[in-house]
Amino acid sequence: DAKTTQPPSMDCAEGRAANLPCNHSTISGNEYVYWYRQIHSQGPQYIIHGLKNNETNEMASLIITEDRKSSTLILPHATLRDTAVYYCIVRVVATDSWGKFQFGAGTQVVVTP
Amino acid sequence: ETGVTQTPRHLVMGMTNKKSLKCEQHLGHNAMYWYKQSAKKPLELMFVYNFKEQTENNSVPSRFSPECPNSSHLFLHLHTLQPEDSALYLCASSHVGSSYNEQFFGPGTRLTVL
Repeated sequence: DAKTTQPPSMDCAEGRAANLPCNHSTISGNEYVYWYRQIHSQGPQYIIHGLKNNETNEMASLIITEDRKSSTLILPHATLRDTAVYYCIVRVVATDSWGKFQFGAGTQVVVTP
Repeated sequence: ETGVTQTPRHLVMGMTNKKSLKCEQHLGHNAMYWYKQSAKKPLELMFVYNFKEQTENNSVPSRFSPECPNSSHLFLHLHTLQPEDSALYLCASSHVGSSYNEQFFGPGTRLTVL
């Protein structure tokens, strides 16, 4: 699976949009981009995933560049409860196997009042 | 609530004790995972059970022994642990055969080995 690069930390003001970048320049055509987050000492929480189209759900939006070498997770209106480590992961999705998630160091996002 | 529960949430044990961690998933998934997260380190995959068969063991010491009696339950049996085994132990599940196979995590067990 391709490796990802994320900034180690980001600050965001409450109520503002948080834009979290991820670089995955070696991504291959059959690899999806997944985002998880982990609030302190809890289990990681799935946020969103995508292949090449932009995706949106009730938690966030995922913008993937046309060449798929980078992506941005957007939290539209950050709240204090969004303070967490955010992980960007790329992996092959195969319906006949369990598929490995390789967690890196992620981005520590701190939302301030 | 993710549909994955873990007990106990906190555990303190001595190096000579034997204890077990339990994980249960209520999502109808067919694959379950154990991860270890040491302080300020990324999650490390320990074991994978796919359709109740162990398919991955990432060079985990034998003092950690997994058991998967059915597709809903997963145990991690612990014996003669070392202080460096103190960590957050996370269980996850997923559905192999679905389109995206994302993993859902439990809240974790915070283990302290004295």
